[in-house]
Amino acid sequence: DSGVTQTPKHLITATGQRVTLRCSPRSGDLSVYWYQQSLDQGLQFLIQYYNGEERAKGNILERFSAQQFPDLHSELNLSSLELGDSALYFCASSAFGGLAGGSGELFFGEGSRLTVL
Amino acid sequence: SQQGEEDPQALSIQEGENATMNCSYKTSINNLQWYRQNSGRGLVHLILIRSNEREKHSGRLRVTLDTSKKSSSLLITASRAADTASYFCATEGELTFGKGTLLTVNP
Repeated sequence: DSGVTQTPKHLITATGQRVTLRCSPRSGDLSVYWYQQSLDQGLQFLIQYYNGEERAKGNILERFSAQQFPDLHSELNLSSLELGDSALYFCASSAFGGLAGGSGELFFGEGSRLTVL
Repeated sequence: SQQGEEDPQALSIQEGENATMNCSYKTSINNLQWYRQNSGRGLVHLILIRSNEREKHSGRLRVTLDTSKKSSSLLITASRAADTASYFCATEGELTFGKGTLLTVNP
């Protein structure tokens, strides 16, 4: 058990809909990372938050947004869903990732599997 | 972003054999990490090697780092069927990953 909790584990929805994925990081970790994993694209970095502030942005579509709340949990919002958004979405947390830089071990949740029909 | 790229994409060996997979990256780094992913599960951290280290061991794992060639290798010795998984390297920063090496260990 990594200590990172993701909900829901599975989600099936229709094209055009909006969903919210939730992540609770490991106790004490200030950084949250979101990744998308699909068969054809591999593991794609989406976005990172550190203590409530956006720290880095990767291949995140404009239809997607994320935030980290004061209690450090994070949500990834996916809107106007398309078939190609079907994927596993992972959240990971780390004690590192602040302005001072540096990186350490990431602890991954078990993912949220999104199926868009 | 500094992305690691793993090679080969797939590797199939017999139980008891050694497995070697490689990672290349593009820019200077302070550290490099290796992760393992069982099918459909979250990634699990295996080992971190710093830029001033050339080799690091953890159990049956041996990682090397060649900063002049911007490459790293992960060796799994005496492989077991339970080692069947995808293996990823990641460089620092936002920790972007390559597409991984799918290792299959046949009993």
